[in-house]
Amino acid sequence: EDKVVQSPLSLVVHEGDTVTLNCSYEVTNFRSLLWYKQEKKAPTFLFMLTSSGIEKKSGRLSSILDKKELSSILNITATQTGDSAIYLCAVKQNAGGTSYGKLTFGQGTILTVHP
Amino acid sequence: GAGVSQSPRYKVAKRGQDVALRCDPISGHVSLFWYQQALGQGPEFLTYFQNEAQLDKSGLPSDRFFAERPEGSVSTLKIQRTQQEDSAVYLCASSQGISYEQYFGPGTRLTVT
Repeated sequence: EDKVVQSPLSLVVHEGDTVTLNCSYEVTNFRSLLWYKQEKKAPTFLFMLTSSGIEKKSGRLSSILDKKELSSILNITATQTGDSAIYLCAVKQNAGGTSYGKLTFGQGTILTVHP
Repeated sequence: GAGVSQSPRYKVAKRGQDVALRCDPISGHVSLFWYQQALGQGPEFLTYFQNEAQLDKSGLPSDRFFAERPEGSVSTLKIQRTQQEDSAVYLCASSQGISYEQYFGPGTRLTVT
């Protein structure tokens, strides 16, 4: 059965701290790994990673994929209270059969940043 | 609008009632997905449309769940004879295709009492 596991499940930090969120996966026909940020509404897209070892960056956020270890990390530096959210990791599988690019999600990491 | 929209945003139903949840995808997106997100969990796949064709409904939890997208744009997820275990947030997402990211709507929070 396809599985995506995130750790930690929750994390409480203070503004200015750096955090690392982990995602590991066991899926067939891996295509890409995606990170989303979910506040009280729609998950918003952060990164899509397809190639191993290539870091993607956007401001204070960065992410990297390790296909050998079947894992990814999401780093947030100099955290702010606005970073408080649930961070979701999802894996997309190759088309064919019944996968059609559907996403298999982890359970999410709840990040709380205190002032 | 530029994003995916869903309505209603909140729905309270009595056990046994039928409900209909609507999704308006981003214009031109051929792929449309429905996900169910229980409290404290990540979203789980329900069904997938490519244009008007429902190509995968393997995630629908029972035959009380039915989805359609008759003209390849707006989609409706219908739940018949709602049960308490149906209480969840129902998320819709659309995409240009398999190689592209999925954009999510704000979800409909369904509470069955």
